[in-house]
Amino acid sequence: DTAVSQTPKYLVTQMGNDKSIKCEQNLGHDTMYWYKQDSKKFLKIMFSYNNKELIINETVPNRFSPKSPDKAHLNLHINSLELGDSAVYFCASSQDRGGVAGELFFGEGSRLTVL
Amino acid sequence: SQKIEQNSEALNIQEGKTATLTCNYTNYSPAYLQWYRQDPGRGPVFLLLIRENEKEKRKERLKVTFDTTLKQSLFHITASQPADSATYLCALSYNFNKFYFGSGTKLNVKP
Repeated sequence: DTAVSQTPKYLVTQMGNDKSIKCEQNLGHDTMYWYKQDSKKFLKIMFSYNNKELIINETVPNRFSPKSPDKAHLNLHINSLELGDSAVYFCASSQDRGGVAGELFFGEGSRLTVL
Repeated sequence: SQKIEQNSEALNIQEGKTATLTCNYTNYSPAYLQWYRQDPGRGPVFLLLIRENEKEKRKERLKVTFDTTLKQSLFHITASQPADSATYLCALSYNFNKFYFGSGTKLNVKP
């Protein structure tokens, strides 16, 4: 029973297209995240939601729009895809520990390739 | 902004030896410092967490130290095994669920 699952695992698309990645966690955590891992392996936070409310929105182009229909789901929609969007996108969740997040539980990643 | 430095060169060691990985950061100390393991094509997996008021934490063959004066954490794997080969990431966490990750150090344990 996967704790954090994201789909699709692989996504190959053309520049200019719109695509979505979905994420679900069954851990009962309050907070969910989207991270981007580039070719140099840096994991960079993009967004964080706590109980469906956006709490972190790093300097991400507004072509990226997250949506959290409930606290177990966090989706990422990307408009007008660009070559530089090619990366692995990781969904993660955590449980708050008095205002500071505990450890992160990651999904397996979604590798996006923009041609 | 916060910078986190991990040795970008792979660490190659012989099975049975102790592997020591370094994580250095600038600016202010985090509330927590965490270490993760990442295998190729997989998501990072949590290993250990140490708080800013703790000096050392152990879990089985793993040990983490945290020196807020040096702004450094060391991650040790004793009696290393080929199965320990992976990339190890350190992450600093602050208030409001902000995590900053280093780029990781690849560990190769040779039989």
